[in-house]
Amino acid sequence: DTGVSQDPRHKITKRGQNVTFRCDPISEHNRLYWYRQTLGQGPEFLTYFQNEAQLEKSRLLSDRFSAERPKGSFSTLEIQRTEQGDSAMYLCASSLGFVGGRTDTQYFGPGTRLTVL
Amino acid sequence: KNEVEQSPQNLTAQEGEFITINCSYSVGISALHWLQQHPGGGIVSLFMLSSGKKKHGRLIATINIQEKHSSLHITASHPRDSAVYICAVGGSQGNLIFGKGTKLSVKP
Repeated sequence: DTGVSQDPRHKITKRGQNVTFRCDPISEHNRLYWYRQTLGQGPEFLTYFQNEAQLEKSRLLSDRFSAERPKGSFSTLEIQRTEQGDSAMYLCASSLGFVGGRTDTQYFGPGTRLTVL
Repeated sequence: KNEVEQSPQNLTAQEGEFITINCSYSVGISALHWLQQHPGGGIVSLFMLSSGKKKHGRLIATINIQEKHSSLHITASHPRDSAVYICAVGGSQGNLIFGKGTKLSVKP
């Protein structure tokens, strides 16, 4: 257990439905990242937060995706009008920060596996 | 061409063998990370390094900044080492850019 939790662990939904995932990072961590991983591939960056501010979004994050971190603690990732291509593992990670121009160790949650039928 | 390339993609070894996984990258980095992913998805950070060599137990990670290359070595491999090993480099904003991973299977 890394200290980062995600909920739910699995989600099966029908195409066109909206889904929301939650990530609870390690409490003192300022940075929170969302990644997506499809079968046989490494994770791909989606977006990240520094406290409550969303600082960067990947071009993979279409307008159907939205992420929030309202109080700088937990974060949610919502996918609207899901498509079969959204089926993947959604991973959350947190870290203390970006110190001295270097990436810090990231602690990953167990992931939410989304299946869109 | 991917920014982070790993080799081999799959590796099968007998218990006790010395294992090497390689990672090459094409972008400027702030740090390189080695991570381990077990079936079911959980990812654990093994090493973060920006120069030289680090050792933790039976695991050793090295990096050559000039050649943009890193290696992960496992000495005296054990079946519990079976997992996917992922190399990732730190991007300019702190996000990680991942390789596709190396699936290691250690047979007893």
